[in-house]
Amino acid sequence: DAMVIQNPRYQVTQFGKPVTLSCSQTLNHNVMYWYQQKSSQAPKLLFHYYDKDFNNEADTPDNFQSRRPNTSFCFLDIRSPGLGDAAMYLCATSRVGEGNTEAFFGQGTRLTVV
Amino acid sequence: AQSVTQLGSHVSVSEGALVLLRCNYSSSVPPYLFWYVQYPNQGLQLLLKYTSAATLVKGINGFEAEFKKSETSFHLTKPSAHMSDAAEYFCAAQRGGGFKTIFGAGTRLFVKA
Repeated sequence: DAMVIQNPRYQVTQFGKPVTLSCSQTLNHNVMYWYQQKSSQAPKLLFHYYDKDFNNEADTPDNFQSRRPNTSFCFLDIRSPGLGDAAMYLCATSRVGEGNTEAFFGQGTRLTVV
Repeated sequence: AQSVTQLGSHVSVSEGALVLLRCNYSSSVPPYLFWYVQYPNQGLQLLLKYTSAATLVKGINGFEAEFKKSETSFHLTKPSAHMSDAAEYFCAAQRGGGFKTIFGAGTRLFVKA
């Protein structure tokens, strides 16, 4: 089945130690998104890629970076995780340019910072 | 600016009772509207979407939503709640062809036996 896959599902990292979360998709969608979701809150968009064009949200901290080496993969890099970065990180994709633009979400990666 | 308001952070119903989750959007141009469901430690799953075709939209798991432009509302309903419906529900809006999906704060649905 075509889908959005996030690895790992659970990630524990040390305070200040760089960590990378990965996302892959088999939907051939042109847009990939990274959301941060803290407990009992709505997902918050960090940034998105439209093809190779990177679009950062104005309030996304510099500590968060992203890479999209090809259509299928997108990575979220947290350069120096703080305790406040513990959250669920959701990857999503969509195909902008057609009528249906809903986002398809992966299962998420729950990040714990110790 | 576009925003989405979900009335009630928590809703509790008895099994078999009607489910009504409220969502209002604010936009000068009716956007695309969505309802997503999220189970614990899972991603978001699309329940249904409104894209300016029929105003009554049927989704998965017996849910439906009605777009009412005059009320700028897109409330989610299900005639008979099931225990498996217990989850977090998010209403979301997107301008047509746009990149940004704006989420409401979410409503947690509890279903009592």
